[in-house]
Amino acid sequence: EPEVTQTPSHQVTQMGQEVILRCVPISNHLYFYWYRQILGQKVEFLVSFYNNEISEKSEIFDDQFSVERPDGSNFTLKIRSTKLEDSAMYFCASSVQGIEQFFGPGTRLTVL
Amino acid sequence: DQQVKQNSPSLSVQEGRISILNCDYTNSMFDYFLWYKKYPAEGPTFLISISSIKDKNEDGRFTVFLNKSAKHLSLHIVPSQPGDSAVYFCAATGGSNYKLTFGKGTLLTVNP
Repeated sequence: EPEVTQTPSHQVTQMGQEVILRCVPISNHLYFYWYRQILGQKVEFLVSFYNNEISEKSEIFDDQFSVERPDGSNFTLKIRSTKLEDSAMYFCASSVQGIEQFFGPGTRLTVL
Repeated sequence: DQQVKQNSPSLSVQEGRISILNCDYTNSMFDYFLWYKKYPAEGPTFLISISSIKDKNEDGRFTVFLNKSAKHLSLHIVPSQPGDSAVYFCAATGGSNYKLTFGKGTLLTVNP
């Protein structure tokens, strides 16, 4: 069964460093998302991406964040200058029609 | 921001019995509701969804009921199995960008 994959599974970085989290969505899906879950809190929406552009972003998704679909298969989330409060599980999701979203296993980001 | 609320942080049931997980929402613009299951260190797994034009959707052991007037939905699992033990998230979406708004989750424990 097709699934969303994410790499790395765990990323440790120093505050102020740039990180890129990578995702390979399910191949025939058209809608792509990033969510995050800070330990003990809800899963929160970050950004949605459709037709090669951002369709919606949350207030969390400020200028330090960017997304890209560089080659038609990968979908990346970049954080330019990480902060301690960016430490969280980051989940990529994809969907055929937008509603039923299938999530990857997540990347645990630890900012020291 | 408590647009989707799961008021029970945990639920314990005996194997073979029914599990009922509840969810309330406040945003009248939500028109699609989903349930996800999550094991530790994994991403959310899509279980079942329901459109706001329906009041029930069934898939095997899982049934979701929607009461629009009460802004309430529930997930029934019958019969419950030990492998169902996980955190269950209710999520909702509305509008064209399909971002999911999640509840805090309910930890279901099914005892053998």
